[in-house]
This record gives sequence, C-alpha cells and structure tokens, in this order.
Amino acid sequence: GESVGLHLPTLSVQEGDNSIINCAYSNSASDYFIWYKQESGKGPQFIIDIRSNMDKRQGQRVTVLLNKTVKHLSLQIAATQPGDSAVYFCAEDNFNKFYFGSGTKLNVKP
Amino acid sequence: GAVVSQHPSWVICKSGTSVKIECRSLDFQATTMFWYRQFPKQSLMLMATSNEGSKATYEQGVEKDKFLINHASLTLSTLTVTSAHPEDSSFYICSATPPVGGGTNEKLFFGSGTQLSVL
Repeated sequence: GESVGLHLPTLSVQEGDNSIINCAYSNSASDYFIWYKQESGKGPQFIIDIRSNMDKRQGQRVTVLLNKTVKHLSLQIAATQPGDSAVYFCAEDNFNKFYFGSGTKLNVKP
Repeated sequence: GAVVSQHPSWVICKSGTSVKIECRSLDFQATTMFWYRQFPKQSLMLMATSNEGSKATYEQGVEKDKFLINHASLTLSTLTVTSAHPEDSSFYICSATPPVGGGTNEKLFFGSGTQLSVL
C-alpha cells in the first residue's frame, strides 16, 4: 500500500558536504525502487533506480543503498550543491503500481 | 528520453464545475498511465491506474464517480474532476510507463503536473 507523510522532514547540509536521505518502504514484495527529485510546482524527476536483486547502485554523484531485511532505502549525494535543494522521494514498484514514500526536503546552504 | 505532456499546468474554477486534465505520452505508447494527487508539503498519493481500453483501477478511498478517468488511446489519458469543491484543490500529476524494450531502462515518466484551485 501507499505511505503518506503528513510533514516533510528537512535535511540541511553545507554545500560540498555529502547528503544521506533515508526512506522506509511498505511492501516486502516490491522488487523495484526509484528515487525522485521534485522541485516546487513541478513533476518528479528521476534520479536513480535499483532492483531488489541488488543492494547498491551508483550513478553520477548519487548512490542508492537497499536493505530488504528492514525495508529501507537510502540515497547518498556526494558533494552536495545548491542545485540539489529540492524534495526527494523514494517510490516502490508493487505489482506495477508505484507508491511514494513520505519525502525529505533537502536544503543546501551555500 | 520519453516525454509526458500534461495540460493545463494550472486551472482555477468555481465550485461545482468540472475540470478535465489531459496527459499525453508524446514519443511512446503508454499502455498504463497513473494519476497522483499531491497536497502541499505531502507526498504523491496514487489515485488510480489507467489502462488503455479498459476501466481504471482506483485506489482505496478514491471516489471513481468524482474522479473520472478515460484512457481512450495509447497516448492519452484524461482525468475529470467532477463537481469540484475547494477540498479538491491540489496538485495533480500523471505518469506513464513506456513499453518494455522501448529504449529506456526507466519504468515511469511524469508529466509536469496541474495545479487545481477551486474557489
């Protein structure tokens, strides 16, 4: 099922530092996970994905870690930049329906 | 990459009127489209799954008579908010899945969203 957040937690980091954003997902049967970035008034933008047969995947400046035992995802952003400021959501593919986690607002301080 | 176009980007309407939002996959055929609703500072909530040529599947708690979904072709799905009320004011976002082997590893592409304000 879906997870809905009532409040968006905020993560504040200094420009150049690494950021770690966490997400708990709902269904142990979900086999595909995606991280999205959403800027105000826009649709979600794909960042990186991972399948359940992997526990780590790296992209450009981003790394996703998957811990199926505790149903936990994390997104690591290296050398965070002001342009990374946005809200970040994880999404799980549950039988070809995509449900979103509660989201984290990332605030990058120059 | 695959492009999903959503129109209009914002709409203001009077209470009691109906509003139609269009979602088009521009460069791929989407057998499945999804409609989400997002309230301020909250997550995206899946409203319904729309398959071309068949009735939409609604999530629990979403009124099918209130939110009419039509997926008449492989490139177009519409969401009609009927008899809109102020509590229906929200950001509505559509997404579409490209066919497997369609040249992309991504499974979901999003429109830019529609901000609905009901007065």
